[in-house]
Amino acid sequence: GAGVSQTPSNKVTEKGKYVELRCDPISGHTALYWYRQSLGQGPEFLIYFQGTGAADDSGLPNDRFFAVRPEGSVSTLKIQRTERGDSAVYLCASSLRGGPGEKLFFGSGTQLSVL
Amino acid sequence: QQQVKQSPQSLIVQKGGISIINCAYENTAFDYFPWYQQFPGKGPALLIAIRPDVSEKKEGRFTISFNKSAKQFSLHIMDSQPGDSATYFCAPANAGGTSYGKLTFGQGTILTVHP
Repeated sequence: GAGVSQTPSNKVTEKGKYVELRCDPISGHTALYWYRQSLGQGPEFLIYFQGTGAADDSGLPNDRFFAVRPEGSVSTLKIQRTERGDSAVYLCASSLRGGPGEKLFFGSGTQLSVL
Repeated sequence: QQQVKQSPQSLIVQKGGISIINCAYENTAFDYFPWYQQFPGKGPALLIAIRPDVSEKKEGRFTISFNKSAKQFSLHIMDSQPGDSATYFCAPANAGGTSYGKLTFGQGTILTVHP
């Protein structure tokens, strides 16, 4: 596609539920990133994929968070047993090869609200 | 995120004026210094970036000034326009590390340009 696409744009769930957030990167981009942006804050790094593998998951806050990218294109961020503190905008970004200083292209994000 | 501090938190300028936003960082491993622009409901978009081998870079109305010894860099927007009203983030990274897109975002500066 023309840009990074994220679905859904909004997700409302109840505390304790499981959610999946989807990211479609720019076609041909091998590097994919997930960030989380809380209200009034800058985005925080969660995880980086190079192809199908998670090259750096150091930003995942705990084991309730998991992400996959099975075919090296679409990625899904999965959150188990959601908590109110998980409410934030989850941003996905991609870049061509993940090389030094490459431009990251961000999607518009998924606004997750945990009630 | 405390590694990166932006100032001011908010800024109001008149159309045609100069907007200046500053970023101070602690991590001496950072060697890629971008500024991102974010509009409400959208993901951040790369505005301009600099590497530490130069002290200044200009692209149109936007200029980055870099002071390696002070561990600071700034964004200057000349002839500010109402369309520049957005949130601006500095987001330095270690481009020589293994996760090149692992940006460390500042807390953001909300810029308002009055017509």
